[in-house]
Amino acid sequence: GENVEQHPSTLSVQEGDSAVIKCTYSDSASNYFPWYKQELGKRPQLIIDIRSNVGEKKDQRIAVTLNKTAKHFSLHITETQPEDSAVYFCAASLTGNQFYFGTGTSLTVIP
Amino acid sequence: SQTIHQWPATLVQPVGSPLSLECTVEGTSNPNLYWYRQAAGRGLQLLFYSVGIGQISSEVPQNLSASRPQDRQFILSSKKLLLSDSGFYLCAWGGQGTQPQHFGDGTRLSIL
Repeated sequence: GENVEQHPSTLSVQEGDSAVIKCTYSDSASNYFPWYKQELGKRPQLIIDIRSNVGEKKDQRIAVTLNKTAKHFSLHITETQPEDSAVYFCAASLTGNQFYFGTGTSLTVIP
Repeated sequence: SQTIHQWPATLVQPVGSPLSLECTVEGTSNPNLYWYRQAAGRGLQLLFYSVGIGQISSEVPQNLSASRPQDRQFILSSKKLLLSDSGFYLCAWGGQGTQPQHFGDGTRLSIL
């Protein structure tokens, strides 16, 4: 089955700096890659996603890039703010029935 | 719009007691439904998923079970809880194909 690895597990950045979280996947047939943000004690919430027919997608300060050849995708957050502090999860899906999640990255934005 | 309801929000149960967590979805039909468990500070562990009424797939062996008696209802159960069953239980629904999963607010389960 699919295996998703996520790095780093923890990340601290100064407010205003950029943050990058990287994920790799093993099944080249995976075709959908969402990213979730989970604040402490809350549910994971979808923040951005990308499908395999697209190489990059941007939504304001958040962007995701996908390299199908290398089988990795990354989340980029620019101009970070304290409210960006949370745990971020990447995921990969092949059929839409099962999602394989990364182990999460705890992001801390230092004011 | 679609909404997902999960209850209770918190639950404290003694070891060996039964469990029933319920999840319902509104505003969509024939959704894929999922149960995840999240230990403190850890990732999401898929427990069960269902693509239709009465169709349940289990990802890990455990003393938990799931049922889908109606199209938009998903129930997580146990006959006898273990200490290791403590955690944050999340229900999610998803569409077909390349569509995201959407999570409920979760149930925080503590076993004493």
